[in-house]
Amino acid sequence: QLQLQESGPGLVKPSETLSLTCTVSGDSISSSPYYWGWIRQPPGEGLEWIGTIYYRVRTYYNASLKSRVSISVDTSKNQFSLKLTSVTAADTAVYYCATMGTNGVSYGFDIWGQGTMVTVSS
Amino acid sequence: QSALTQPPSVSGSPGQSVTISCTGTSDVGSYNRVSWYQQPPGTAPKLMIYEVGNRPSGVPDRFSGSKSGNTASLTISGLQAEDEADYYCSLYTSSSTVVFGGGTRLTVL
Repeated sequence: QLQLQESGPGLVKPSETLSLTCTVSGDSISSSPYYWGWIRQPPGEGLEWIGTIYYRVRTYYNASLKSRVSISVDTSKNQFSLKLTSVTAADTAVYYCATMGTNGVSYGFDIWGQGTMVTVSS
Repeated sequence: QSALTQPPSVSGSPGQSVTISCTGTSDVGSYNRVSWYQQPPGTAPKLMIYEVGNRPSGVPDRFSGSKSGNTASLTISGLQAEDEADYYCSLYTSSSTVVFGGGTRLTVL
């Protein structure tokens, strides 16, 4: 059973770069034909899709974040990562990693990490 | 990216049925790429419906999805107290991006 776990700093200073990692267990990220994605949720608000990576190199990003975001895969560590530059308080949120395409499920994120809270503050 | 509009809240009594709508633009009507998620407070979202009307393994058949034109719907029949949660629709667009609806809070009276 595939499982995901987010990790990274819980506090980031304004204007710095937010970096999070999602560790995949139960399957190999290099051989899995799945979409790996990041979604965030500001306190008390709804879900916002950040971006998705497919087959390690094909990336898709939310247009509103595209200039600041990058998602990559590290097959040696079985992880995928999120980097968000020039953060502000508006980037404070719970960040989830998730995957799409497992168990025959298409076009929906069927496996999610537990989420990690990131606060942007000096 | 297309926007998805959901009602902020719905409610129902145990045993009743409730329907949550999700209205978007032509991408909703043109493709069967709508999903629905359940999120109880303080937990990660859980996929309940994919491709408009398909249930992942383990999701009760009380949950069903449908679509008419540019509006997708999630219906929960035989409402139970444990169904109280926020529900989000999402769309996988023709540009391979994903957009979420604003969410609907379901209250079981």
